[in-house]
Amino acid sequence: DAKTTQPTSMDCAEGRAANLPCNHSTISGNEYVYWYRQIHSQGPQYIIHGLKNNETNEMASLIITEDRKSSTLILPHATLRDTAVYYCIVRGSDNDKLIFGTGTRLQVFP
Amino acid sequence: EAQVTQNPRYLITVTGKKLTVTCSQNMNHEYMSWYRQDPGLGLRQIYYSMNVEVTDKGDVPEGYKVSRKEKRNFPLILESPSPNQTSLYFCASSWTGFNQPQHFGDGTRLSIL
Repeated sequence: DAKTTQPTSMDCAEGRAANLPCNHSTISGNEYVYWYRQIHSQGPQYIIHGLKNNETNEMASLIITEDRKSSTLILPHATLRDTAVYYCIVRGSDNDKLIFGTGTRLQVFP
Repeated sequence: EAQVTQNPRYLITVTGKKLTVTCSQNMNHEYMSWYRQDPGLGLRQIYYSMNVEVTDKGDVPEGYKVSRKEKRNFPLILESPSPNQTSLYFCASSWTGFNQPQHFGDGTRLSIL
């Protein structure tokens, strides 16, 4: 069972920051927060992951709250190509697999 | 370029005709896995492999076989395909460890008539 809760859908204007929230209130100390996205029916694309510190890479930033019960994925300047389903996944030492929930469908509009 | 390659990308076949979906990765990853994706059910793991000659069942292994004779290849075998195996299949690979991201192939869409 997915350990995360995400909004079903969100909209974002092109060029603006997209902030996608995720709740993982039952996360345990050694579990990482992963973000993937899936554009149409393509293979899931890895975006970013973190344990407790905020993380940034060329695609996005991940902000994890101090209590680790929630996080936010930030796409700083959304483009139309960022329209996709975004999955927040919690993964720890007992989880070799990724458990995908229903994700957030992000629609970027012109 | 680092990638996970699946073949074929699309296949329409008939019940009972054995088929193999190949998966190859060029990143020297130890871990490989197969998922299937169905509407309303999300991605579910079929089989995984921690290294050469080491494979194990995922959540939905019935009707599938795998093998891992070389590190780079992890074929998915459907010995006697049935219509309920019509689905979108993804192969993934990673370094060992739950802090290592898995990288996915582009998918194989199978239709079993």
